[in-house]
Amino acid sequence: NAGVTQTPKFRVLKTGQSMTLLCAQDMNHEYMYWYRQDPGMGLRLIHYSVGEGTTAKGEVPDGYNVSRLKKQNFLLGLESAAPSQTSVYFCASMQALSGANVLTFGAGSRLTVL
Amino acid sequence: QKEVEQDPGPLSVPEGAIVSLNCTYSNSAFQYFMWYRQYSRKGPELLMYTYSSGNKEDGRFTAQVDKSSKYISLFIRDSQPSDSATYLCAMSARAEAGTALIFGKGTTLSVSS
Repeated sequence: NAGVTQTPKFRVLKTGQSMTLLCAQDMNHEYMYWYRQDPGMGLRLIHYSVGEGTTAKGEVPDGYNVSRLKKQNFLLGLESAAPSQTSVYFCASMQALSGANVLTFGAGSRLTVL
Repeated sequence: QKEVEQDPGPLSVPEGAIVSLNCTYSNSAFQYFMWYRQYSRKGPELLMYTYSSGNKEDGRFTAQVDKSSKYISLFIRDSQPSDSATYLCAMSARAEAGTALIFGKGTTLSVSS
């Protein structure tokens, strides 16, 4: 059982380049999330999806786009990367468990924008 | 004022010590409280979750919630070097899947042998 898998694990971009981060989950979870984690800032929600074909903005959505064409996949795109987007990106999926929300996270994608 | 406040540390203790990690929050609607552990260069993983006030114990770990004070704690007994990680508290108002979790910024713990 792989859980949540993120690709790539590391990437270096130049300012203005575009890229897509892929998240795949094999737990049949309806809800999927993209967070970024920065020193001193904690986890901040970028976008999320409550089901196939749906997306919604989180706390820090600017500069990012997402798509959820298949239930098991959630893609995060950067159309024109900026140095401020240097961060570690985490994908997560959610189920309702015993009356509490539980997030299952991937291992992270470390992005550097030069 | 942030909804969830958590002292970032770092916190350094010797092996065998009792560790107390804490979060305070401002939203009285929060009822579900979680602690995630994050090892270096890994994703967070759920460690403990509790509903409303009270204590919950799991091995060396005890989660405590005091809703009257809007204060939650995670106690680690007989701490081990393998407990060295960042601990994030998280909370939500409802249990329905999709309800936003509000995270603290995390406390970094180092346990030396």
